[in-house]
Amino acid sequence: IQLTQSPSFLSASVGDRVTITCRASQGVSTYLAWYQQKPGKVPEVLIYAASTLQSGVPSRFSGSGSGTEFTLTISSLQPEDFATYYCQQLYSHPRTFGGGTKVEIK
Amino acid sequence: QVQLQQWGAGLLKPSETLSLTCAIYSGSFNGNYWNWIRQPPGKGLEWIGEIDDRGSTNYNPSLKSRVTISVDTSKKQFSLNLSPVTAADTAAYYCARLNVRASGWPGYHYYYMDVWSKGTTVTVSS
Repeated sequence: IQLTQSPSFLSASVGDRVTITCRASQGVSTYLAWYQQKPGKVPEVLIYAASTLQSGVPSRFSGSGSGTEFTLTISSLQPEDFATYYCQQLYSHPRTFGGGTKVEIK
Repeated sequence: QVQLQQWGAGLLKPSETLSLTCAIYSGSFNGNYWNWIRQPPGKGLEWIGEIDDRGSTNYNPSLKSRVTISVDTSKKQFSLNLSPVTAADTAAYYCARLNVRASGWPGYHYYYMDVWSKGTTVTVSS
């Protein structure tokens, strides 16, 4: 299963609402997770089961979708949110990642 | 709180074998899947494979002919071997726990990688 993220890069300002899309080449139900990776750091899970917020993750992050189309939304971008975001499907093997979306400061 | 600590050689020559081991601290080995993921410099994440507590494995087909993942449950460790390596295998390698837990919905479990090691940078160069 291939995951296509869009956009691959986006430039946004603090306070902006940001939406990242992840499309699967075939249905993955809701077996989809989102990760955040800051430069030089290890990925951290934000969302699992497409829409469940990981404990400790700020509520400005939200996820939605099922089947083949998913979105990660940041309701009000904060300085610490500038990072690269990856989706991953856990529906079948291999457990593929999307290509990533880099969020940079405008 | 579960922690993962990995170790292994960071500099290899082409045709050699990459060997990394990941140890699990302060947590149970059972009921989860233990994964290896890599990230070439400046690129995205690539899933390598996983093993469960019974030693059952799944591999990325793109690497399957060169990869072996094994487990030592008595030591709560799992290992990655990749052979032979080429320059294209230069990457940061991470071990991670794939947490599998019941959702409360019949037949549906949550799956997500919630614990990661700090990673090892492996460089393959002659």
